[in-house]
Amino acid sequence: DSGVTQTPKHLITATGQRVTLRCSPRSGDLSVYWYQQSLDQGLQFLIQYYNGEERAKGNILERFSAQQFPDLHSELNLSSLELGDSALYFCASSVGLGTYEQYFGPGTRLTVT
Amino acid sequence: GENVEQHPSTLSVQEGDSAVIKCTYSDSASNYFPWYKQELGKRPQLIIDIRSNVGEKKDQRIAVTLNKTAKHFSLHITETQPEDSAVYFCAASIGYGGSQGNLIFGKGTKLSVKP
Repeated sequence: DSGVTQTPKHLITATGQRVTLRCSPRSGDLSVYWYQQSLDQGLQFLIQYYNGEERAKGNILERFSAQQFPDLHSELNLSSLELGDSALYFCASSVGLGTYEQYFGPGTRLTVT
Repeated sequence: GENVEQHPSTLSVQEGDSAVIKCTYSDSASNYFPWYKQELGKRPQLIIDIRSNVGEKKDQRIAVTLNKTAKHFSLHITETQPEDSAVYFCAASIGYGGSQGNLIFGKGTKLSVKP
């Protein structure tokens, strides 16, 4: 157990809908990262937050957005969902900025039908 | 953009043999190189990492070597066991700019250890 929690574990929804994925970082970690992993694909970095502020963006679609709250939990919002958005979504957390170890949560498996 | 290449994409070994996975990176400012193990449907798990001021690091049956001049690093697993079967990802840190410290991942190596 990495100490990073994610909810829900599974999510099934229809095209065009909007969903929210939630992540709680390890105690004491200030940075949260979101990754997308499609079937048989590697880990695609989406976005990073540090202490409530957006720090870096990767290959995140405009239909996707995220935020980090004062209690440091983070939410990833996916809207106008398409079949191709079906994937595993992981969040990871680390102590701070810079080259710190990232610990991954168990992921949310999103299926868009 | 920055890139991490990982080889091989699949690797099959007999139980007890050694396994080696190699990665090359493009960002000469990268200074942190973790390795993750991911079992089917589970989270990537950090198994070992190395920083640029060290050439080699070992933890029981797992070792990582780093050659900064050639910009490549490798994962070595000795005395493989069936439970080592998983997908292994290498990563390298981004060395500059607003994304400094973030990780770029290789595409993964599926390791199968046959009993």
